[in-house]
Amino acid sequence: NAGVMQNPRHLVRRRGQEARLRCSPMKGHSHVYWYRQLPEEGLKFMVYLQKENIIDESGMPKERFSAEFPKEGPSILRIQQVVRGDSAAYFCASSRTGARVDEQFFGPGTRLTVL
Amino acid sequence: TQLLEQSPQFLSIQEGENLTVYCNSSSVFSSLQWYRQEPGEGPVLLVTVVTGGEVKKLKRLTFQFGDARKDSSLHITAAQPGDTGLYLCAGALWDTGFQKLVFGTGTRLLVSP
Repeated sequence: NAGVMQNPRHLVRRRGQEARLRCSPMKGHSHVYWYRQLPEEGLKFMVYLQKENIIDESGMPKERFSAEFPKEGPSILRIQQVVRGDSAAYFCASSRTGARVDEQFFGPGTRLTVL
Repeated sequence: TQLLEQSPQFLSIQEGENLTVYCNSSSVFSSLQWYRQEPGEGPVLLVTVVTGGEVKKLKRLTFQFGDARKDSSLHITAAQPGDTGLYLCAGALWDTGFQKLVFGTGTRLLVSP
């Protein structure tokens, strides 16, 4: 039973380029969460999606960042015109339901470096 | 706004020693989770505590949720080098209609042989 998959594991971009991070949830999970971890900091919630719907994006920067979870395929976190401050580890988690005590299982993360 | 304070931030001890990590907040959480994160990997769930005052044991690890569901502690007995890692607490907020996890800044533990 494969866990949460994220790719790429490492991504290097120059300032101004676009970064696309992909997340495939665990089998049977239809709820996806994205978190960002800056160096020496804890994870910060960015966005919560269900299939084809953004439920809460309160942690997402207002500009340049977007997320989607299409009916088919992985969830995508897209960062346009990246800046050095976007360098971080981006983690995706998935859960079977959005229930109060449903566990979130984390992927291995994508480490984004902006040159 | 940082809602969860973890202490200590760093801890270096010898094998066989005991240690306690604290996770404190002014917010009430519907549950609290402890994760361990290895370098280059995502957090792995160790335990979830739900009820105020709840105590859970996982081998040499003991987790406690405060009576008011605002704080938690992780106690490790007779630490081993294999316990080395980053320990994260995460409080689950439910006021937005879904489980939003708020993470502490982590405690980096080093256990030397």
